[in-house]
Amino acid sequence: DQQVKQNSPSLSVQEGRISILNCDYTNSMFDYFLWYKKYPAEGPTFLISISSIKDKNEDGRFTVFLNKSAKHLSLHIVPSQPGDSAVYFCAARPRGADGLTFGKGTHLIIQP
Amino acid sequence: GAGVSQSPSNKVTEKGKDVELRCDPISGHTALYWYRQSLGQGLEFLIYFQGNSAPDKSGLPSDRFSAERTGGSVSTLTIQRTQQEDSAVYLCASSPRRQGAHEQFFGPGTRLTVL
Repeated sequence: DQQVKQNSPSLSVQEGRISILNCDYTNSMFDYFLWYKKYPAEGPTFLISISSIKDKNEDGRFTVFLNKSAKHLSLHIVPSQPGDSAVYFCAARPRGADGLTFGKGTHLIIQP
Repeated sequence: GAGVSQSPSNKVTEKGKDVELRCDPISGHTALYWYRQSLGQGLEFLIYFQGNSAPDKSGLPSDRFSAERTGGSVSTLTIQRTQQEDSAVYLCASSPRRQGAHEQFFGPGTRLTVL
């Protein structure tokens, strides 16, 4: 029973264009959402987060959008750069809990 | 500043043996988490420590798994009588737990292979 779903195992985007990574969740008790980026043989690195009371959070080239009614969030990266090639994990925190629930990840490949 | 460190980076063991995995969190971080990532899966929460409070063990998959945190710093995850399905990357994370800071900082992980 996956509570956080990333339905695209991989995504290929041309350098300079927009990358859009999607995430769906089923648990309405999630109150905080995070995106992590992971390079091979390294631990995940925090990218950006959003509280459930907001619908958008922006940090430089990264913007996260939250649609609570659809239980959907997305990460936009613009413009995409070669160093953005990595696996991106969507994660969510249940209200009152501390462990994060992660999706399976999307492998983003930025084509030159 | 030093990040989260984990040792060993790789561990190969035989089925039935016990293993210990170590995590050194970022200095000053009061919260410590263990996760594991099996092949093709997302990260799975295992256990959480916060200060001197009782740990949240709700994610431990069986009683073969245990963890302790000594002196509020270093943590050890122990897996007894390892099984092949325990093969995974075990990740440790720490967090300062100050208000509004929800992000967790991850170590590089320990890749465990049970033969």
